[in-house]
Amino acid sequence: EVQLVESGGDLVQPGGSLRLSCAASGFTFSSYEMTWVRQAPGKGLEWVSYISSSSGDIIYYAESVKGRFTISRDNAKNSLYLQMNSLRAEDTAIYFCARNSHNWKFDYWGQGTLVTVSS
Amino acid sequence: ELVLTQSPGTLSLSPGERATLSCRASQSVSSAYLTWYQQKPGQAPRLLIFGASSRATGIPDRFSGSGSGTDFTLTISRLEPEDFAVYYCQQNGRTFGQGTKVEIK
Repeated sequence: EVQLVESGGDLVQPGGSLRLSCAASGFTFSSYEMTWVRQAPGKGLEWVSYISSSSGDIIYYAESVKGRFTISRDNAKNSLYLQMNSLRAEDTAIYFCARNSHNWKFDYWGQGTLVTVSS
Repeated sequence: ELVLTQSPGTLSLSPGERATLSCRASQSVSSAYLTWYQQKPGQAPRLLIFGASSRATGIPDRFSGSGSGTDFTLTISRLEPEDFAVYYCQQNGRTFGQGTKVEIK
């Protein structure tokens, strides 16, 4: 059974940092592209970042997080990460990791982890 | 920058009725990368339709997708109680529409 489990969400002050993790199981993690999507309280979905399969050498970021967030993966640990620096109040959201299947469809999602940026 | 506009914002219908949700792109997009998701409160999104018209695994055939170019439609032929949720379209794995809430009338 495919499972994605996010962790690392917390309350952090503006300007602070946080590292999110997504533990994958039930599939060959290295073979899949992965994505982070977030959802601010009561709002819609916002794509955050993408990383290619295998070596993860192709990476994309939403403009809203470029230069502050870093996506990475560790295939040996079946894990996806999102390093978030210089956090702002507007980064407050539930962060979901999702598996990219063929043609940009996200066929499995984690349950999400809540990041709250507030003083 | 691509913008996906979903309409209506909220759809109030009764179980058994037909729901028609629209997703309009600000420029012509590839149908191959047009996806629909369903999200219920407190849950992660769920893949419904990919490639504009193909149902994901386990999705009932009352859900159908259509469209091309700039105009795409998600249709739920007969609403079941579990279908009341928010629906999002997405293009190219990045841009999401703002969502359409299907609520019980």
